[in-house]
Amino acid sequence: SAVISQKPSRDICQRGTSLTIQCQVDSQVTMMFWYRQQPGQSLTLIATANQGSEATYESGFVIDKFPISRPNLTFSTLTVSNMSPEDSSIYLCSDYRGTGTEAFFGQGTRLTVV
Amino acid sequence: AQTVTQSQPEMSVQEAETVTLSCTYDTSESDYYLFWYKQPPSRQMILVIRQEAYKQQNATENRFSVNFQKAAKSFSLKISDSQLGDAAMYFCAYHLSGTYKYIFGTGTRLKVLA
Repeated sequence: SAVISQKPSRDICQRGTSLTIQCQVDSQVTMMFWYRQQPGQSLTLIATANQGSEATYESGFVIDKFPISRPNLTFSTLTVSNMSPEDSSIYLCSDYRGTGTEAFFGQGTRLTVV
Repeated sequence: AQTVTQSQPEMSVQEAETVTLSCTYDTSESDYYLFWYKQPPSRQMILVIRQEAYKQQNATENRFSVNFQKAAKSFSLKISDSQLGDAAMYFCAYHLSGTYKYIFGTGTRLKVLA
C-alpha cells in the first residue's frame, strides 16, 4: 500500500504568520489534493495540484491565501498564509492514482492559530 | 452535481454486535466507484472497502461488507462483530469514472461500547 508522509503533524502558530505543510508520496502520482477538515466535519477540497502547472483552486479558496507548490511527482506543499484563528483546522493531503483507485491520505496536520 | 449524504451523524454499537452505517448519493452517471473510509482519532484516513458500480455483487472485506443498491443510490456499510478499534469517523465517498475528484459525505461517528 502507498504511503504519504505529511508534516508537521501539528502546530500552534501566531496570527499573521504562515505555515507550510509538506507531503511526500512514496511513488509518482498524477495529482495531489489538499483538504481542510474542521473537527468532526467532512473534508473540504482546497485545491488540486499538478506537477508543472498552477494548482486549481475550489470556490472560496485563493492562491494568495493558500499557495501550493508541486515541484515533482512525489512532493507537494501547502502554505497557509497570514493566518487567523479561523484557519485553525486539520489539513490533509491526498493523491490520485487513476480512475476507480482509492485515494491515499497523509496523516493530517492539526493547525491551531492563536 | 453529485452529492453524498450520510444521515446518521453518530451511531453506537455494543462490542461484538453488528451495526450498519447509511450512505446515499445522487448522480445521473452509471460508471462510478464508491468507497468507505475510516478516520480514527489519529486522523489517518484509511480505506475500508471499495465498490465498482458496474458490479452487482456486494463487496466484502473480512468483517466489513456493503449493501449496494444502485437503483436506490444507496451504499450502506455493515460492520459485524464490532471491536473497540472500529470506533472512528466513517466517510462514504463517490468517485466518477474518468474524473479525478472524490466527493465525501458528512461522516458518521461510530462509538463502540464495551
